[in-house]
Amino acid sequence: QMQLVQSGPEVKKPGIPVKVSCKASGFTFSNSAIQWVRQTRGQRLEWIGWIIVGSGNTNYAQKFQERVTITRDMSTGTAYMELSSLRSEDTAVYYCAADRWGLVHVFDIWGQGTMVTVSS
Amino acid sequence: DIVMTQSPLSLPVTPGEPASISCKSSQSLLQSNGYSYLGWIRQRPGQSPQFLIYLGSNRASGVPDRFSGSGSGTDFTLKISRVEAEDVGIYYCMQALQAPLTFGQGTKLEIK
Repeated sequence: QMQLVQSGPEVKKPGIPVKVSCKASGFTFSNSAIQWVRQTRGQRLEWIGWIIVGSGNTNYAQKFQERVTITRDMSTGTAYMELSSLRSEDTAVYYCAADRWGLVHVFDIWGQGTMVTVSS
Repeated sequence: DIVMTQSPLSLPVTPGEPASISCKSSQSLLQSNGYSYLGWIRQRPGQSPQFLIYLGSNRASGVPDRFSGSGSGTDFTLKISRVEAEDVGIYYCMQALQAPLTFGQGTKLEIK
């Protein structure tokens, strides 16, 4: 069964970083690309960035460029998204999604989502 | 950034009837290889998004053939031939031609 399992909910204070994990199973992780998308209460989906797992190449949205780092651990089949300098507007559900072929346009496997709450 | 605009934003449908959602992009999604980099995603209430269509008209694995995508360039349509109760949710179009990937506002499909 192909799936992505994300880490649990997080509550962070403003200014503190958060790191969310996304563990892949049932497909060849090294051939894939992993993107991160967030969804605020207003339901809008916002793209954060992606990583090509095999090469480690990343691409980030300009909005997050200076605050986000997406990495992967090939030995465990896990991708990570770290967002620093958190502010209240970062409160959202964060999703990872996999493109099994590394094409960065067929993201057909999604994680269950991780709720990140930023509050003082 | 490429802006994606969907219509309608709300779509009440009687079970068994067809449904159609439009998506327009602010610039052409057609690449030189002849493919338009447009995808469709559905999010059922309380669930993660589910990928339905890629490259404008190709169904993802496991997606029923009731779902079809069409269009090219800047104008795209998602059609459901016969709506079922399990189709309720929010449908998003997504462009994957260039970073940043961007999404439409979403169309909420509900059953009458």
